[in-house]
Amino acid sequence: AQSVTQPDIHITVSEGASLELRCNYSYGATPYLFWYVQSPGQGLQLLLKYFSGDTLVQGIKGFEAEFKRSQSSFNLRKPSVHWSDAAEYFCAVGEAGNNRKLIWGLGTSLAVNP
Amino acid sequence: EADIYQTPRYLVIGTGKKITLECSQTMGHDKMYWYQQDPGMELHLIHYSYGVNSTEKGDLSSESTVSRIRTEHFPLTLESARPSHTSQYLCASSESGGNNSPLHFGNGTRLTVT
Repeated sequence: AQSVTQPDIHITVSEGASLELRCNYSYGATPYLFWYVQSPGQGLQLLLKYFSGDTLVQGIKGFEAEFKRSQSSFNLRKPSVHWSDAAEYFCAVGEAGNNRKLIWGLGTSLAVNP
Repeated sequence: EADIYQTPRYLVIGTGKKITLECSQTMGHDKMYWYQQDPGMELHLIHYSYGVNSTEKGDLSSESTVSRIRTEHFPLTLESARPSHTSQYLCASSESGGNNSPLHFGNGTRLTVT
């Protein structure tokens, strides 16, 4: 079955600390992978996406993610977290050219301590 | 600056009332989506539109209906609201063509049916 797993429901980090949010997927075809962020009271915003090529992708707000096919993972990282990064983060996987079939993870809620 | 607008942001309404959630985008996107978002659950696509006069139901069964008479407008209607319809409804749009153009989300409508 196709699925996306975000193992961590909630993470708390201190401001300035590094961050890694995990995403594992199960998908039969070549996966197209996405990370979206949802700040409180807001809609989702695309952080970054991976289709092909370099497995380390850079996104907005200083985030990056690495695609590891052998581990079926697409973990999101940031070297130094800012208080404004507190939000809900969603990983999603889909097929080429078809956003209609996106499969979403349940999200990881990030809290940032001052 | 939001290019996709949802109104109202919050709606509390009694059982049996008819409601329409508005969604408009100014980006000229052909594809539009309605998602339902509940705490601890993955985002579920409830309606999808390829373009004007083209709509289809999503993967999650919903008693709501949609229309797409104009490119920029994609309203969702519940003929008779019930407490089970209490949820957050997110509208999104994306470009046609290309590989999985990113979804642009509105800020959502939080619906409570009493």
